[in-house]
Amino acid sequence: ETGVTQSPTHLIKTRGQQVTLRCSSQSGHNTVSWYQQALGQGPQFIFQYYREEENGRGNFPPRFSGLQFPNYSSELNVNALELDDSALYLCASKAGGLWDYNEQFFGPGTRLTVL
Amino acid sequence: AQSVTQLGSHVSVSEGALVLLRCNYSSSVPPYLFWYVQYPNQGLQLLLKYTSAATLVKGINGFEAEFKKSETSFHLTKPSAHMSDAAEYFCAVTLSTGNQFYFGTGTSLTVIP
Repeated sequence: ETGVTQSPTHLIKTRGQQVTLRCSSQSGHNTVSWYQQALGQGPQFIFQYYREEENGRGNFPPRFSGLQFPNYSSELNVNALELDDSALYLCASKAGGLWDYNEQFFGPGTRLTVL
Repeated sequence: AQSVTQLGSHVSVSEGALVLLRCNYSSSVPPYLFWYVQYPNQGLQLLLKYTSAATLVKGINGFEAEFKKSETSFHLTKPSAHMSDAAEYFCAVTLSTGNQFYFGTGTSLTVIP
């Protein structure tokens, strides 16, 4: 059974650029969540996707957007990058939807550095 | 609003000593509580979770936590620390009616030989 995978592992961008991060959910998992973890902080919820639709969003501006594909993989897009966007971005997947308290499995993350 | 507070950003214990990592939560409804561990350059791994069943929850690697509603606490303990326990530990809460996780700021555990 393959776990949650994320790509790329590291990324360096400059301020104002756009970035796309990718996540492949664990087999059988149809819900994907994205988190931002700044250095020395706990993960902050960005949004969650279930059946290709966003069904929850944290306190992040609209320049953070996402997609979920029919195979349940997901993308996180960030436009107009700012220095404060530098962080570890974690993807988590789980089986079930909003009402299912199944365990979330986290990927290793993508380390984004904005210069 | 829901939140968790982890007291002590850094905790050091000797190998073989008791590990106690503190977590207090704030929730307007009965919460679901979790402890995750993060090793360097890795994602989060679930240690244990409380989902309104038994108040004493046993997890992996010898860790356990007790849900105390009167104290709004969910402290993580392990009787005897091992060198491999050195990592960052996060407490998290989610609502009974939603899936958004709220994480604490983490506690870095150092185990001294």
